[in-house]
Amino acid sequence: DVVMTQSPLSLPVTLGQPASISCRSSQSLVYTDGYSYLNWFLQRPGQSPRRLIKKVSDRDSGVPDRFRGSGSGTDFTLNITRVEAEDIGVYYCMQGTHWPLTFGGGTKVEIK
Amino acid sequence: EVQLVESGGGFVKPGGSLRLSCVASGIIFPKAWVSWVRQAPAKGLELVGRIKPNSDGGTTDFATPVKGRFIMSRDDSRDTVYLQMNRLKIEDTGVYYCTTNYDYWGQGTLVTVSS
Repeated sequence: DVVMTQSPLSLPVTLGQPASISCRSSQSLVYTDGYSYLNWFLQRPGQSPRRLIKKVSDRDSGVPDRFRGSGSGTDFTLNITRVEAEDIGVYYCMQGTHWPLTFGGGTKVEIK
Repeated sequence: EVQLVESGGGFVKPGGSLRLSCVASGIIFPKAWVSWVRQAPAKGLELVGRIKPNSDGGTTDFATPVKGRFIMSRDDSRDTVYLQMNRLKIEDTGVYYCTTNYDYWGQGTLVTVSS
């Protein structure tokens, strides 16, 4: 199975400041169609996960543009340009290229 | 508005069985790829398995920890997917979410396996 490794495990942030989460895969996530199926999810406390980004950098409908995904191959990053209070929670990356689909261990973003 | 509603969770002893249901509304259900994702207490997300639309064969795929014990089926006339969980283990404890294409998620149903 493809192992997804996120860092850091915990990310204390200051409101209004940027934040960055890294996700690395044990294999390339480039599929035969040329796309990399790397997704980012946010799970707020007590809520179901919500997808923010698919295919590395495509924001889902309604996701603020302060969320930006980037990367290629095996290295990916989620950047939040200015953290807001509603961004607090656990962020997960997930690869959808290889079966079984696998998630990273999560990064908990909390207010400093 | 798209809604996914899971039900069927509960308390069961090791070796027992449970059947979860996921009822969808607001989507063209026969076209939906439906997956189950679980989350052990205070842990991360783990894929359980998925079922393809009948137009794609209606086949199922499972993650290794549940292969051979879990069965997934769908009833498009009821906009429902079922997850039959057999020979349950303590490590199967957690909240089970259904999701369509990972864009819509249900609220989850709690499964507790304990003696």
